[in-house]
Amino acid sequence: EAQVTQNPRYLITVTGKKLTVTCSQNMNHEYMSWYRQDPGLGLRQIYYSMNVEVTDKGDVPEGYKVSRKEKRNFPLILESPSPNQTSLYFCASSLSGVGSYGYTFGSGTRLTVV
Amino acid sequence: GESVGLHLPTLSVQEGDNSIINCAYSNSASDYFIWYKQESGKGPQFIIDIRSNMDKRQGQRVTVLLNKTVKHLSLQIAATQPGDSAVYFCAENKADKLIFGTGTRLQVFP
Repeated sequence: EAQVTQNPRYLITVTGKKLTVTCSQNMNHEYMSWYRQDPGLGLRQIYYSMNVEVTDKGDVPEGYKVSRKEKRNFPLILESPSPNQTSLYFCASSLSGVGSYGYTFGSGTRLTVV
Repeated sequence: GESVGLHLPTLSVQEGDNSIINCAYSNSASDYFIWYKQESGKGPQFIIDIRSNMDKRQGQRVTVLLNKTVKHLSLQIAATQPGDSAVYFCAENKADKLIFGTGTRLQVFP
Protein backbone atom coordinates (compact mmCIF):
# COMPACT_ATOMS: atom_id res chain seq x y z
CA GLU A 1 0.00 0.00 0.00
CA ALA A 2 1.31 3.43 -0.97
CA GLN A 3 1.74 5.43 2.18
CA VAL A 4 3.69 7.82 4.35
CA THR A 5 4.60 6.31 7.70
CA GLN A 6 5.43 8.38 10.74
CA ASN A 7 6.67 7.18 14.11
CA PRO A 8 5.84 7.52 16.86
CA ARG A 9 2.14 8.44 16.79
CA TYR A 10 2.29 9.91 20.28
CA LEU A 11 5.25 11.22 22.25
CA ILE A 12 5.56 12.96 25.60
CA THR A 13 8.99 14.29 26.43
CA VAL A 14 10.73 16.75 28.71
CA THR A 15 12.25 20.09 27.79
CA GLY A 16 15.74 19.76 26.35
CA LYS A 17 15.72 16.03 25.63
CA LYS A 18 16.65 15.45 22.00
CA LEU A 19 14.13 13.51 19.94
CA THR A 20 13.62 12.33 16.39
CA VAL A 21 10.36 11.73 14.57
CA THR A 22 10.80 9.40 11.65
CA CYS A 23 9.06 9.61 8.29
CA SER A 24 9.24 7.11 5.47
CA GLN A 25 7.43 6.89 2.12
CA ASN A 26 7.25 3.95 -0.25
CA MET A 27 6.13 5.80 -3.39
CA ASN A 28 9.55 6.86 -4.70
CA HIS A 29 8.52 10.48 -4.21
CA GLU A 30 11.18 13.13 -4.65
CA TYR A 31 9.55 15.81 -2.51
CA MET A 32 9.03 15.48 1.24
CA SER A 33 7.93 18.00 3.81
CA TRP A 34 7.17 18.46 7.49
CA TYR A 35 4.22 20.47 8.79
CA ARG A 36 2.99 21.32 12.24
CA GLN A 37 -0.69 21.84 12.96
CA ASP A 38 -1.89 24.10 15.74
CA PRO A 39 -5.43 25.21 16.61
CA GLY A 40 -6.46 28.23 14.60
CA LEU A 41 -3.20 28.33 12.68
CA GLY A 42 -3.72 25.50 10.23
CA LEU A 43 -0.79 23.64 8.72
CA ARG A 44 2.53 25.46 8.70
CA GLN A 45 5.56 24.15 6.87
CA ILE A 46 8.70 23.49 8.91
CA TYR A 47 11.15 22.11 6.36
CA TYR A 48 10.99 20.53 2.95
CA SER A 49 13.23 18.55 0.65
CA MET A 50 13.15 18.56 -3.12
CA ASN A 51 15.39 15.51 -3.37
CA VAL A 52 18.15 13.58 -1.63
CA GLU A 53 20.63 15.87 0.15
CA VAL A 54 18.52 18.94 -0.70
CA THR A 55 16.63 20.54 2.19
CA ASP A 56 15.16 24.02 2.68
CA LYS A 57 13.50 25.96 5.44
CA GLY A 58 9.77 26.40 5.44
CA ASP A 59 7.84 29.03 7.34
CA VAL A 60 8.60 27.91 10.90
CA PRO A 61 12.01 26.17 10.93
CA GLU A 62 13.35 27.47 14.25
CA GLY A 63 14.17 24.68 16.70
CA TYR A 64 14.04 21.92 14.10
CA LYS A 65 16.50 20.05 11.91
CA VAL A 66 15.98 17.59 9.09
CA SER A 67 18.10 15.36 6.91
CA ARG A 68 17.51 13.57 3.60
CA LYS A 69 20.21 10.95 3.17
CA GLU A 70 17.89 8.57 1.36
CA LYS A 71 14.95 9.23 -0.92
CA ARG A 72 12.43 7.39 1.23
CA ASN A 73 13.31 8.85 4.66
CA PHE A 74 12.98 12.37 6.04
CA PRO A 75 13.42 12.48 9.82
CA LEU A 76 12.53 15.55 11.89
CA ILE A 77 14.96 16.29 14.71
CA LEU A 78 14.32 18.44 17.75
CA GLU A 79 17.73 18.98 19.35
CA SER A 80 16.38 20.71 22.45
CA PRO A 81 12.58 20.58 22.53
CA SER A 82 10.66 23.33 24.26
CA PRO A 83 7.00 23.51 25.34
CA ASN A 84 6.12 25.77 22.39
CA GLN A 85 6.92 22.83 20.12
CA THR A 86 4.00 20.91 21.56
CA SER A 87 1.96 20.30 18.44
CA LEU A 88 0.61 17.81 15.93
CA TYR A 89 3.21 17.06 13.27
CA PHE A 90 2.62 15.72 9.77
CA CYS A 91 5.04 14.43 7.21
CA ALA A 92 4.00 14.62 3.58
CA SER A 93 5.42 13.56 0.25
CA SER A 94 4.79 14.38 -3.38
CA LEU A 95 6.00 13.00 -6.65
CA SER A 96 7.80 16.19 -7.59
CA GLY A 97 7.38 19.47 -5.72
CA VAL A 98 3.87 20.88 -5.86
CA GLY A 99 3.36 21.34 -9.57
CA SER A 100 0.39 19.26 -10.55
CA TYR A 101 0.58 16.90 -7.63
CA GLY A 102 -0.87 17.10 -4.19
CA TYR A 103 0.68 15.74 -1.07
CA THR A 104 0.22 12.37 0.58
CA PHE A 105 0.22 12.85 4.34
CA GLY A 106 1.20 10.57 7.17
CA SER A 107 -1.14 9.92 10.08
CA GLY A 108 0.53 12.45 12.33
CA THR A 109 2.67 12.55 15.47
CA ARG A 110 1.25 14.25 18.52
CA LEU A 111 4.13 15.67 20.52
CA THR A 112 3.86 17.06 24.03
CA VAL A 113 6.86 18.78 25.60
CA VAL A 114 6.62 19.32 29.35
CA GLY B 1 -14.78 30.70 4.72
CA GLU B 2 -11.29 30.57 6.17
CA SER B 3 -10.55 31.85 9.63
CA VAL B 4 -7.49 32.97 11.50
CA GLY B 5 -9.24 32.80 14.86
CA LEU B 6 -8.92 30.13 17.50
CA HIS B 7 -12.13 28.40 16.46
CA LEU B 8 -12.77 26.84 13.14
CA PRO B 9 -15.77 28.08 11.25
CA THR B 10 -18.35 25.36 11.24
CA LEU B 11 -20.87 24.33 8.64
CA SER B 12 -23.75 22.18 9.84
CA VAL B 13 -25.82 20.38 7.24
CA GLN B 14 -28.50 17.76 7.30
CA GLU B 15 -27.73 14.36 5.87
CA GLY B 16 -28.71 14.27 2.23
CA ASP B 17 -28.39 18.00 1.66
CA ASN B 18 -25.65 19.59 -0.41
CA SER B 19 -22.71 21.29 1.33
CA ILE B 20 -20.72 24.26 0.09
CA ILE B 21 -17.43 25.11 1.76
CA ASN B 22 -15.74 28.33 0.77
CA CYS B 23 -12.17 29.53 0.72
CA ALA B 24 -10.51 32.81 -0.19
CA TYR B 25 -6.94 32.57 -1.39
CA SER B 26 -4.34 35.28 -1.36
CA ASN B 27 -1.89 34.74 -4.19
CA SER B 28 -3.15 35.74 -7.63
CA ALA B 29 -0.14 33.96 -9.13
CA SER B 30 -1.19 30.59 -7.72
CA ASP B 31 -1.92 28.17 -10.52
CA TYR B 32 -2.90 25.08 -8.58
CA PHE B 33 -5.41 24.54 -5.78
CA ILE B 34 -6.31 21.51 -3.73
CA TRP B 35 -9.00 20.55 -1.26
CA TYR B 36 -8.12 18.24 1.62
CA LYS B 37 -10.30 16.42 4.12
CA GLN B 38 -9.04 15.71 7.62
CA GLU B 39 -10.94 13.31 9.83
CA SER B 40 -10.36 13.24 13.55
CA GLY B 41 -7.04 11.59 14.41
CA LYS B 42 -5.90 11.31 10.81
CA GLY B 43 -3.74 13.18 8.36
CA PRO B 44 -5.22 15.36 5.60
CA GLN B 45 -6.49 13.37 2.65
CA PHE B 46 -6.55 14.63 -0.94
CA ILE B 47 -10.07 15.19 -2.28
CA ILE B 48 -9.83 17.09 -5.53
CA ASP B 49 -7.62 19.62 -7.25
CA ILE B 50 -7.98 22.27 -9.93
CA ARG B 51 -5.60 24.27 -12.06
CA SER B 52 -6.02 27.98 -12.62
CA ASN B 53 -6.92 27.53 -16.29
CA MET B 54 -10.14 25.81 -15.21
CA ASP B 55 -13.30 27.18 -13.58
CA LYS B 56 -14.81 23.91 -12.49
CA ARG B 57 -13.83 20.34 -11.90
CA GLN B 58 -16.00 17.46 -10.82
CA GLY B 59 -15.24 14.29 -8.96
CA GLN B 60 -17.40 11.71 -7.33
CA ARG B 61 -20.01 13.70 -5.36
CA VAL B 62 -17.62 16.66 -5.16
CA THR B 63 -17.21 19.72 -7.34
CA VAL B 64 -14.61 22.46 -7.02
CA LEU B 65 -15.31 25.91 -8.40
CA LEU B 66 -12.61 28.51 -8.96
CA ASN B 67 -13.31 32.21 -9.38
CA LYS B 68 -10.03 33.90 -10.16
CA THR B 69 -11.58 37.34 -10.40
CA VAL B 70 -12.38 37.42 -6.71
CA LYS B 71 -9.79 34.79 -5.68
CA HIS B 72 -12.39 32.43 -4.36
CA LEU B 73 -12.49 28.67 -4.25
CA SER B 74 -15.39 26.49 -3.20
CA LEU B 75 -15.99 22.81 -2.57
CA GLN B 76 -19.45 21.44 -3.14
CA ILE B 77 -20.41 18.06 -1.72
CA ALA B 78 -23.58 16.51 -3.07
CA ALA B 79 -25.90 14.46 -0.87
CA THR B 80 -23.78 14.92 2.22
CA GLN B 81 -23.30 11.80 4.31
CA PRO B 82 -22.24 11.25 7.95
CA GLY B 83 -18.86 10.06 6.66
CA ASP B 84 -18.27 13.51 5.21
CA SER B 85 -17.98 14.97 8.71
CA ALA B 86 -14.44 16.33 8.93
CA VAL B 87 -12.35 19.47 8.68
CA TYR B 88 -11.83 20.66 5.12
CA PHE B 89 -8.80 22.65 4.03
CA CYS B 90 -8.12 24.48 0.83
CA ALA B 91 -4.52 24.89 -0.28
CA GLU B 92 -2.82 26.98 -2.93
CA ASN B 93 0.63 26.58 -4.40
CA LYS B 94 3.10 29.38 -3.75
CA ALA B 95 6.79 29.25 -4.63
CA ASP B 96 6.64 25.50 -5.16
CA LYS B 97 5.00 24.72 -1.84
CA LEU B 98 1.45 24.45 -0.59
CA ILE B 99 -0.07 27.10 1.66
CA PHE B 100 -3.03 25.84 3.65
CA GLY B 101 -6.04 27.67 4.94
CA THR B 102 -7.10 27.18 8.55
CA GLY B 103 -10.00 24.92 7.67
CA THR B 104 -13.77 24.60 8.00
CA ARG B 105 -15.43 21.97 10.14
CA LEU B 106 -18.33 20.19 8.44
CA GLN B 107 -20.88 18.63 10.76
CA VAL B 108 -23.55 16.35 9.35
CA PHE B 109 -26.65 15.72 11.42
CA PRO B 110 -29.39 13.19 10.76
